[in-house]
This record gives sequence, C-alpha cells and structure tokens, in this order.
Amino acid sequence: SQQGEEDPQALSIQEGENATMNCSYKTSINNLQWYRQNSGRGLVHLILIRSNEREKHSGRLRVTLDTSKKSSSLLITASRAADTASYFCATRTGANSKLTFGKGITLSVRP
Amino acid sequence: DTGVSQDPRHKITKRGQNVTFRCDPISEHNRLYWYRQTLGQGPEFLTYFQNEAQLEKSRLLSDRFSAERPKGSFSTLEIQRTEQGDSAMYLCASSRYPNAGTGGGSELFFGEGSRLTVL
Repeated sequence: SQQGEEDPQALSIQEGENATMNCSYKTSINNLQWYRQNSGRGLVHLILIRSNEREKHSGRLRVTLDTSKKSSSLLITASRAADTASYFCATRTGANSKLTFGKGITLSVRP
Repeated sequence: DTGVSQDPRHKITKRGQNVTFRCDPISEHNRLYWYRQTLGQGPEFLTYFQNEAQLEKSRLLSDRFSAERPKGSFSTLEIQRTEQGDSAMYLCASSRYPNAGTGGGSELFFGEGSRLTVL
C-alpha cells in the first residue's frame, strides 16, 4: 500500500519558473523524504525532514511539513530543463520502519 | 564506483522460468532493501534486511519470491516460475541504521535497477 499521495500527478512549467509539488499522507510519521527519478534510472534522495521540523532548505529546494494536515510540499525555485524528472515523497512511520513511497509527480521543465 | 550496483540491468525471460537478481550495497551500509516499480507507479516495498537478517517481507510478495543476504553483504532476489505480471523494475537500496543524524532510519541509496520483462 502507498502511504503518500502526491499532487498534481503531472506538472509542466517554463524554465526559470518555480515548481511546487504536494504530498499528503495518512498516518503519523517519523520523517518524510523526497526523491527524484530520471526516466529509466534509480531514485536519488533529495531531502529529509523530520516530524518535529517545519521547513528545510537545500540549494534550490525548499520542503515544508505540516503534521496537523499530514502534508508536505516541495518547492524547486528557478527551475531548469535538467529538473525534468519524476518526484516522489516517501514516509517513515517509525524510526525503525520501512520507507513507503507515493505514486510520484512527473515534472516537465520546458527550455 | 562506491554506489549500489545491480546485476543484470535488463533481463528478458519466458513465462515459467526462474530469474535471479543481485545487489551489491554500499559497503558500510547494514540495511538493504528491495522494491518493485511498474510504469507510472512509485516503488513498492518488497523486503528488507539488517545485516543478514530479513526483518520484514511484504504480504504482497508471493511464495515465488525469495531474497537472501547470506553474509550481510550482497543480496539476491529470486523469482521462481515467472509470470507476465512480474514484469517490472526491481530496485535495490541500502542505508546505514541507525543514522547518526536522525537517530533512526535515514535516506536510501538506490541502484539503477534491474528491469525484468516476462514474455
């Protein structure tokens, strides 16, 4: 079963614009992570936010977490064509539990 | 290359045949995960090991699937009597547990995957 659900399913933007992707989940979490996957490749970890954190930054990435709404958002600023990929949120319900992934968002950045 | 490596990258087989995939994790990582991913979907958890112990196995995994990590290093995933529905990308990932920063589970490092096509 998939705990996280991303929204929208697909997003197409112009290079230089910001991309915002949302993730909702069902049960309490220990941490939430975002991953990126280029077509036909493995996943690459982008950022991890713990349940007691509200916001985190890494380069052009900004992640927020609202545990009361059981939701997270990933913002990519000043997007580039190379950001074109699928993005997944993944949750860990306990410190020792497995990571459960959502279905993903397909981001297309037009040059 | 010190990342996670998977072999083979592509496998085409006929229905009913057995296939085996191998995963070599990052050497200092004690946890190893297997996921399955079909087109347009997110990775679906199959099983994971801590060292050589298999700690959890998905109920979705039928008894045709078996995974081992005999010496706590590399792992194999075997699928017996393959079916067309087994066609997917099989992803392996590793991590260090516990993680010094989070005190618990941390990020996963994925291999490039093994793509299985069952004819």
